[in-house]
Amino acid sequence: ETGVTQSPTHLIKTRGQQVTLRCSSQSGHNTVSWYQQALGQGPQFIFQYYREEENGRGNFPPRFSGLQFPNYSSELNVNALELDDSALYLCASSSVFGGQETQYFGPGTRLLVL
Amino acid sequence: GNSVTQMEGPVTLSEEAFLTINCTYTATGYPSLFWYVQYPGEGLQLLLKATKADDKGSNKGFEATYRKETTSFHLEKGSVQVSDSAVYFCALMDMGRRALTFGSGTRLQVQP
Repeated sequence: ETGVTQSPTHLIKTRGQQVTLRCSSQSGHNTVSWYQQALGQGPQFIFQYYREEENGRGNFPPRFSGLQFPNYSSELNVNALELDDSALYLCASSSVFGGQETQYFGPGTRLLVL
Repeated sequence: GNSVTQMEGPVTLSEEAFLTINCTYTATGYPSLFWYVQYPGEGLQLLLKATKADDKGSNKGFEATYRKETTSFHLEKGSVQVSDSAVYFCALMDMGRRALTFGSGTRLQVQP
């Protein structure tokens, strides 16, 4: 059912560079959340966008930023890349129905910082 | 703050064995609870969910019951298959924050 797509699938960057990751949400969803999953760990919440506004942020520095577009797709931007930014970046789309929310994930973008 | 604790893996079982993966949580209020599964090289797939106490989520032979009194959401399956080999994540969502908090994951290996 997911319907969430992400691009690119893999990316290699060097320390200090900037990167943009993209996510298309599932039809009918107006919210996109981004998560970082380091190797062997559970995903960590970066931030969420709802109707083109940031709607909550986890414990990530300001060099992690994002956008949401009128069609509810989203971008994650990371400036001044560090080696520890190497991870799988997951986006999830959702909407609130009846006071409940379920997030559906895309396949992820695997970022390697050298 | 919110937190989720899962049993450490890997869990290694023979095909057709019974599976239990323990999950306990700490949260304010009444979170929704989820199990997600991650196959090698892939993103997360929703396996099942429960939104209130005593709810039972089920899918593909997997079940989990929301136990508020023990703050638990243990995943069970009566007869595992090799194709169930994956990493399983327990997660909660506090609707006030609308962000998922995940456990560290439990790797399941099923041998034929």
